[in-house]
Amino acid sequence: QVQLQESGPGLVKPSQTLSLTCTVAGGSISSGGYSWSWIRQHPGKGLEWIGNINYSGTTYYNPSLKSRVTISVDTSKNQFSLKLSSVTAADTAVYYCARILVRLLYTPDWSFDLWGRGTLVTVSS
Amino acid sequence: DIQMTQSPSSLSAFVGDRVTITCRASQSTSSYLNWYQQKPGQAPKLLIYGASSLQSGVPLRFSGSGSGTEFTLTISSLRPEDFATYYCQQSYTMPYTFGQGTKLEIK
Repeated sequence: QVQLQESGPGLVKPSQTLSLTCTVAGGSISSGGYSWSWIRQHPGKGLEWIGNINYSGTTYYNPSLKSRVTISVDTSKNQFSLKLSSVTAADTAVYYCARILVRLLYTPDWSFDLWGRGTLVTVSS
Repeated sequence: DIQMTQSPSSLSAFVGDRVTITCRASQSTSSYLNWYQQKPGQAPKLLIYGASSLQSGVPLRFSGSGSGTEFTLTISSLRPEDFATYYCQQSYTMPYTFGQGTKLEIK
């Protein structure tokens, strides 16, 4: 059974870069039919999509964060990663990694079918 | 961006009640609409995909309907474990957006 696990610092200083890694356990990150995503949730608030990556490294980012976000994949380690630069207190949130199940290629027929437990990242000096 | 608006934002109900949550999109998302359940301290869990298809393992008391700009999630007979926050999410176009959530509480 596939599981996702986020890892990384829980505290980041303002203006620095937030770096998180999601390890895919129990399955291959290169499996067909899946892409991988980062989503965040500000304390007590709703969910915000950050971006996606597929196993070949093609990325899609939320325009609201695009200038600061980089998502990458390391298939040898079965991991994908998030970097968010120039962070401020507004980036304090629980960050989730998630798997995207694509039911029909090149269509919007997909959903976040598996999530990590999430990791709280606080931006503070 | 497509704005997703859920109503109500919160809802109190009894065990055994039938409840319906509505999600409205600011433009058509066809049937590309997913529903998630989130319990406190946990990650969201996929319930419904493609507006009306039940995710494997999700109880049959959950159902979804709608297309275009209006969608509903219905729980036919509430059980204690259903008290949670529910989110809709459109997969139609980037940026992929979620509703603000509907918190379902025990009356």
